[in-house]
Amino acid sequence: DAGITQSPRHKVTETGTPVTLRCHQTENHRYMYWYRQDPGHGLRLIHYSYGVKDTDKGEVSDGYSVSRSKTEDFLLTLESATSSQTSVYFCAVRGVDSPLHFGNGTRLTVT
Amino acid sequence: KNEVEQSPQNLTAQEGEFITINCSYSVGISALHWLQQHPGGGIVSLFMLSSGKKKHGRLIATINIQEKHSSLHITASHPRDSAVYICAVEEGGSEKLVFGKGTKLTVNP
Repeated sequence: DAGITQSPRHKVTETGTPVTLRCHQTENHRYMYWYRQDPGHGLRLIHYSYGVKDTDKGEVSDGYSVSRSKTEDFLLTLESATSSQTSVYFCAVRGVDSPLHFGNGTRLTVT
Repeated sequence: KNEVEQSPQNLTAQEGEFITINCSYSVGISALHWLQQHPGGGIVSLFMLSSGKKKHGRLIATINIQEKHSSLHITASHPRDSAVYICAVEEGGSEKLVFGKGTKLTVNP
């Protein structure tokens, strides 16, 4: 167990509202990732971080922003949620040359 | 762009059968991960490998760097092995991981 906590686990929100998802780790791993998982697409990278305040975009970053002000926390923000952002969101972490560890996921529904 | 292809997409087996799931990728990598996701469940790391072969219980993972190919084998399959198996690669020189779309395995009793 790499001590990864995602919050909230479930959220229903309305179109146009801002939403922030949190990923918290206890192992001080360097790399943190946000993915979304949708049927037929598998896991797709939204944003990732390679250190405090060091982040970069993934393949589906439009409409999302991230922040990492502390090693242990990686926040994903949907500035103005849309129905296309209804998905299951997974946070993953890893150290250098070490396996991936995933959080339990956040199921987000945008109505 | 690195493409990660898994085959087959779906696999149904009888309990006790030997299972093979394949993963091919198109560019050089520094490591490859095999992951397991049970229905409605979280994602668990099975293996991380950069060369050769690793074994854990009834699971074996192999990688051929020259051929850009990896296989995950399950010996003496069991219904509890039913899950989606996902291959992910770390591109050389990058922190990013590229994922395959997964192989859904169903093992019938």
